[in-house]
Amino acid sequence: DGGITQSPKYLFRKEGQNVTLSCEQNLNHDAMYWYRQDPGQGLRLIYYSQIVNDFQKGDIAEGYSVSREKKESFPLTVTSAQKNPTAFYLCASSNRRGLTFFGQGTRLTVV
Amino acid sequence: ILNVEQSPQSLHVQEGDSTNFTCSFPSSNFYALHWYRWETAKSPEALFVMTLNGDEKKKGRISATLNTKEGYSYLYIKGSQPEDSATYLCAPISNFGNEKLTFGTGTRLTIIP
Repeated sequence: DGGITQSPKYLFRKEGQNVTLSCEQNLNHDAMYWYRQDPGQGLRLIYYSQIVNDFQKGDIAEGYSVSREKKESFPLTVTSAQKNPTAFYLCASSNRRGLTFFGQGTRLTVV
Repeated sequence: ILNVEQSPQSLHVQEGDSTNFTCSFPSSNFYALHWYRWETAKSPEALFVMTLNGDEKKKGRISATLNTKEGYSYLYIKGSQPEDSATYLCAPISNFGNEKLTFGTGTRLTIIP
């Protein structure tokens, strides 16, 4: 089945550690996105990529890094520089200006 | 940043009543508007993609209209049911060629049985 898969669903991280969230899609979509949601807030864009080997910062990119070595994959690394990493992270993909499909999300908690 | 506003932020509606809420966005360089429904513990699900001024789309009891000249879209739900409880998100896309999908903060709808 075609779709977009995020893993893991829940993730715990110690302060000062980097952690990488996985996002894979088999929809042959060019564009992929990472969003963050905090309680009571909407989705805020962290990074996005329109094509392989290219990505742009979103509205809250500080403390995060991404790579887009393959069309299917867009992993997000939450670095130790991210001051408040506990949040719900959503990955999405879309064809050119078309419908966007979302993963199930990863809930990251810093302990 | 595309300035997207959704109102109200939250809404409680009695089962069976109809309701509507708004998405406002900059009218310049408009290309398309997406509406999504986001139920708790699930992924956001696409409802509509709207592109033309005056467009009206319908899916069951849910419909949406679009005014690109004044920069707003309305989402209507007729005869609300408990399963309509969700957060409704809109995302305008500009014509800059930069497909940065920016969402409004959403309208959280709760249907009261």
